[in-house]
Amino acid sequence: KQEVTQIPAALSVPEGENLVLNCSFTDSAIYNLQWFRQDPGKGLTSLLLIQSSQREQTSGRLNASLDKSSGRSTLYIAASQPGDSATYLCAVSQGAQKLVFGQGTRLTINP
Amino acid sequence: EAGVAQSPRYKIIEKRQSVAFWCNPISGHATLYWYQQILGQGPKLLIQFQNNGVVDDSQLPKDRFSAERLKGVDSTLKIQPAKLEDSAVYLCASSSQFRRGNEKLFFGSGTQLSVL
Repeated sequence: KQEVTQIPAALSVPEGENLVLNCSFTDSAIYNLQWFRQDPGKGLTSLLLIQSSQREQTSGRLNASLDKSSGRSTLYIAASQPGDSATYLCAVSQGAQKLVFGQGTRLTINP
Repeated sequence: EAGVAQSPRYKIIEKRQSVAFWCNPISGHATLYWYQQILGQGPKLLIQFQNNGVVDDSQLPKDRFSAERLKGVDSTLKIQPAKLEDSAVYLCASSSQFRRGNEKLFFGSGTQLSVL
């Protein structure tokens, strides 16, 4: 059974810092890994999707990496801003678009 | 392009009552999902539809939960009777194609259920 773990559960950093969020999964037989953002009272917004054959994806100040063999992914946020405050979730797909989510990292960027 | 629509946004009921949630996916999206997100946890898949057929309902508590997607468009998720542990946010998502995990999912804002 696939299990996805995110560390840390919560993170608070001052504005302008670069930061890394971590995600690990137990079964390396995945089709892709996605990072989502969730704002309070809102649904999930897909940030980045990395196919199993890829090593990383970039979008603006966000960079996600994937090391399938070790079961790890990181989300790097450069030059953090208060608007980046949200919960970040990673999820792995094992086919048929069935996603298994981690529990999320609650990120707070302090002005 | 309109997003995934869900209603109601909030619902408060007493245990043993019944409740229903509604979802309208993005137009043309064949695949629809219902997820349950308990506070502090990631979403857990309850049921997945491809058009109006069920693809996966292995984690749906079928003794109390039911879902349908008539005509392959809108979907309704029902809980009867509700228990305290059903308090959660119920998220609906849709995607355009049923392939091996290469499509992004689009989520609605969810329905927050409180069972007292």
